[in-house]
Amino acid sequence: GAVVSQHPSRVICKSGTSVKIECRSLDFQATTMFWYRQFPKQSLMLMATSNEGSKATYEQGVEKDKFLINHASLTLSTLTVTSAHPEDSSFYICSASIFPGGHQETQYFGPGTRLLVL
Amino acid sequence: QKEVEQNSGPLSVPEGAIASLNCTYSDRGSQSFFWYRQYSGKSPELIMSIYSNGDKEDGRFTAQLNKASQYVSLLIRDSQPSDSATYLCAVGGKLIFGQGTELSVKP
Repeated sequence: GAVVSQHPSRVICKSGTSVKIECRSLDFQATTMFWYRQFPKQSLMLMATSNEGSKATYEQGVEKDKFLINHASLTLSTLTVTSAHPEDSSFYICSASIFPGGHQETQYFGPGTRLLVL
Repeated sequence: QKEVEQNSGPLSVPEGAIASLNCTYSDRGSQSFFWYRQYSGKSPELIMSIYSNGDKEDGRFTAQLNKASQYVSLLIRDSQPSDSATYLCAVGGKLIFGQGTELSVKP
């Protein structure tokens, strides 16, 4: 249980284009979904938190107009990187949270999307 | 600023040995604690969660929590080369991550 998928797993795009990444919880309805970015040799950096039907909450320093998040349902969240530039090249990882067996909120991660902007 | 600190790596242990990974956290009100394993180029995988003081065992893994000392650890018994990865300590529902400890298990 608690499987999270992401699509695509890898994308290469030209500078100035937009890229959409999908995150789905496959066997559960997620309370909340999170979007992270990870640069090589660094830990995960939280970008935003999203709940179904609500506007995403962005972390300080993350441009909400550049990283558009849509949380259409309890099992689907999308991240769109608008007008991507080479510095946006990174490993983008989503997670979905549940409260397993009445315990504290637990996040399960998707496999990640590697974005390369040329 | 809520912080999570992990012992700096890389940590190298021989196959079959016990690997000990440590983590301290600053928010005394934290209620949930997690260990994630991240292989190179992959996303984090949850391996242990712990909420109460004491030990929690799952197979070769034991998580230990001491809220008074604000300390959580992960022991890996009978370490295998396949355990070689970066281990991330994370605290809270909205996770605060440590910087990770790279573990290398030598055959």
